[in-house]
Order: sequence, then C-alpha cells, then structure tokens
Amino acid sequence: GAVVSQHPSWVICKSGTSVKIECRSLDFQATTMFWYRQFPKQSLMLMATSNEGSKATYEQGVEKDKFLINHASLTLSTLTVTSAHPEDSSFYICSAREEGLGETQYFGPGTRLLVL
Amino acid sequence: QKEVEQNSGPLSVPEGAIASLNCTYSDRGSQSFFWYRQYSGKSPELIMSIYSNGDKEDGRFTAQLNKASQYVSLLIRDSQPSDSATYLCASQPANGNQFYFGTGTSLTVIP
Repeated sequence: GAVVSQHPSWVICKSGTSVKIECRSLDFQATTMFWYRQFPKQSLMLMATSNEGSKATYEQGVEKDKFLINHASLTLSTLTVTSAHPEDSSFYICSAREEGLGETQYFGPGTRLLVL
Repeated sequence: QKEVEQNSGPLSVPEGAIASLNCTYSDRGSQSFFWYRQYSGKSPELIMSIYSNGDKEDGRFTAQLNKASQYVSLLIRDSQPSDSATYLCASQPANGNQFYFGTGTSLTVIP
C-alpha cells in the first residue's frame, strides 16, 4: 500500500514552454500532498503544500504564479511549471500523506525536468 | 539555525559493521520523526518513523529518539553494500503539516 506515482518521469522542453507534472496516490486518499525540488547533490526543498479543494501554500521564495498547483481530487495533484527556463531544470518530487494513518509522507518516483 | 541538522558525511563502514547516523532538531515541540533512504537519482523511500522516546527496531534498522536531547539516530546492523545511499532525517512540527528535512548523510558500505 501507500504507492504514489508521478507522470512523466522525464521531461525535456524548450525554454518558454509550460510543463505539467501529475502526482497520484494510487491506493489511498491524500488530503495533503507536497511538492519538492531537488538540485544535484542538494537536499529536498519544499516548494508548496497542496490541499485538496483549496489553494496551495507556497514556501517563501517560491513564485506561485510560476509554479501552479492544483489539487483537484483526493488522489491527484498537479504542478505546472509555467514559462520554464533553464534554471528550472531540476528533480521534482511529490509526496502524499495517507489520511487517518499517521503523518508519514510517501514519495513519488520524481520527475526530471530539463529545460533547454 | 536549520530545523534539522545532519552530518553530511560521507560515512564509510565495512560490510557487516554497524552504521550509525545521527540527527538533531531545533523545534522542541516536534513530535514525529522519520528516516528516509535516497539512492542516487531516485526519490526518498521511508525506512522508519518514530514518535516516542526510546528505540524502535525493524529488521536491521533501529531508530532512537531522545526528546530531551532533541536527538534522533538510525542504526543499521550488518551493513550491506546495498545500504549505500543518502539517509535523510525529517521532523514534523507539532503545529504543521510539512516536514523539515536534514541535508542527508551519505553512507558507503565497503564490500
């Protein structure tokens, strides 16, 4: 149980395009999902907390208009990187918390974004 | 001061030895603590969670929590080369959803 998927696993795009990443909890409902970014050799950086049916809470320094988050259902959250630039190239990872079974976050496999 | 601090390592141990990974946290109100393992190029995977003072054992892994000292550790017994990875310590504040992650400790188990 507690499986989280992400799609796509790899994205290569041109500068200026928008990229959507999906995060799904496959076998449980997740009221809360989290989006992280990780640059090479660095630790996870929390970008935002996504709550089903409400606006996401962004961490300081993360542009909410650039990183659009939509948590439309209890099993799906999406992150859209708008007008992507090379500096947005990173490893984006989502996690989901299983309601009613403690506070543990389960991570998706991540999405590698390369902006040319 | 960072919420969660870990020795970045690298930590090297011979195969079969005990690997000891340490973590301190600054929010005394934190109640939940987690250890994740992250292989290079992969996302973190949960190893253990611990909520109460003392030891919690799961197979070759033992998590230890000392709230008075604000200290969490992870012991890996009979270390295997497949244990070579970065280990992330995380705490959850009492009044928040998010986790605070340490920067991770890189462990190498030498065959």
